[in-house]
Amino acid sequence: KAGVTQTPRYLIKTRGQQVTLSCSPISGHRSVSWYQQTPGQGLQFLFEYFSETQRNKGNFPGRFSGRQFSNSRSEMNVSTLELGDSALYLCASRPDRGPPYEQYFGPGTRLTVT
Amino acid sequence: GEDVEQSLFLSVREGDSSVINCTYTDSSSTYLYWYKQEPGAGLQLLTYIFSNMDMKQDQRLTVLLNKKDKHLSLRIADTQTGDSAIYFCAERPLSGGYNKLIFGAGTRLAVHP
Repeated sequence: KAGVTQTPRYLIKTRGQQVTLSCSPISGHRSVSWYQQTPGQGLQFLFEYFSETQRNKGNFPGRFSGRQFSNSRSEMNVSTLELGDSALYLCASRPDRGPPYEQYFGPGTRLTVT
Repeated sequence: GEDVEQSLFLSVREGDSSVINCTYTDSSSTYLYWYKQEPGAGLQLLTYIFSNMDMKQDQRLTVLLNKKDKHLSLRIADTQTGDSAIYFCAERPLSGGYNKLIFGAGTRLAVHP
């Protein structure tokens, strides 16, 4: 089975712009989560989707949003980019049934905001 | 509260055992996970342990859990240069839903000849 894929892998944007990142989960996985990884804050949970519904959201401003499509692919959007949004954004998917609710991560999208 | 702590750096000689330690705070966490991250890559799930277990062994990896002290460790036997990476401990609090993981800051493991 192919793993979680994320596109693009690298992105450079200017402050004030917006960006959309894409994630395709492992085939058959309907649950997708997003995490932000920065040197200062480490890995932080952004949000979680299952069957096109957001089920949980981390402590991030409203500029961060996401959605999930009927084929389980997910996108996250960051509007009005700030320098502090520079990070590695990781997407993860997990099997529908659990436990152990293990999550499988993609390679990430490295976003640089200048 | 939710917090996971790890030591930041560990250096070992090739062939020795490595032990990476982690403490967590949320006693409701039912599963605890270890992930590995190599440079420029995402997170690779190494292993996990259920909170009612004391130990789990998976090839060169041994996970020990002391639930009373909320202490978790990952032992890598016969450490190789390919094991050089950052290792993250993560807990899954009951209150966080199915997917919210709380990660430690990561332990950078350096393996030298």
